[in-house]
Amino acid sequence: GAVVSQHPSWVICKSGTSVKIECRSLDFQATTMFWYRQFPKQSLMLMATSNEGSKATYEQGVEKDKFLINHASLTLSTLTVTSAHPEDSSFYICSERAGGGYNEQFFGPGTRLTVL
Amino acid sequence: RKEVEQDPGPFNVPEGATVAFNCTYSNSASQSFFWYRQDCRKEPKLLMSVYSSGNEDGRFTAQLNRASQYISLLIRDSKLSDSATYLCVVNTGNQFYFGTGTSLTVIP
Repeated sequence: GAVVSQHPSWVICKSGTSVKIECRSLDFQATTMFWYRQFPKQSLMLMATSNEGSKATYEQGVEKDKFLINHASLTLSTLTVTSAHPEDSSFYICSERAGGGYNEQFFGPGTRLTVL
Repeated sequence: RKEVEQDPGPFNVPEGATVAFNCTYSNSASQSFFWYRQDCRKEPKLLMSVYSSGNEDGRFTAQLNRASQYISLLIRDSKLSDSATYLCVVNTGNQFYFGTGTSLTVIP
């Protein structure tokens, strides 16, 4: 399957700061990547679809000005949590979809964000 | 009604047991189905895709029932290492819908 990396794997920050999370496709060029958030004991919630060279598509209820997504190249998408608050503490995971007619998604290892 | 529903469990089974999970989906137009495994504090990893004719991979068997709109996962001869949360994922159009996951603990 596809190989996706994320950085950092774990970040702790103070309330009010901004945090950038990088998601890289290591083995092929991904025009579309997905950003999810997962709270403890809950399922993954899609936040946005990141499109290379264009604006991201945000799910209902996700503030685009708070969660800035940039997909400037075919192998890198970034999610910036601006002015983070404790309620933003969560597990953030990116993914890419396999091509060639297959629909499997392959996930990055995730970034655990803790906002103090 | 949720797009995808799973019994959250937990399922606690002895080593060597056979265990089955079901997952129902609400949209009859859904076209692709998957089982993922997620370990604690880790990302989901694809366990297997679910094909219309059913498919098997070692101790794991996946089935799709379109008429009743459910998919199943059967694990035979459970190992301690099978302990994890199993996520049912349904693809409808461009959307992926995740179940809340079923927790499995295999006991020595």
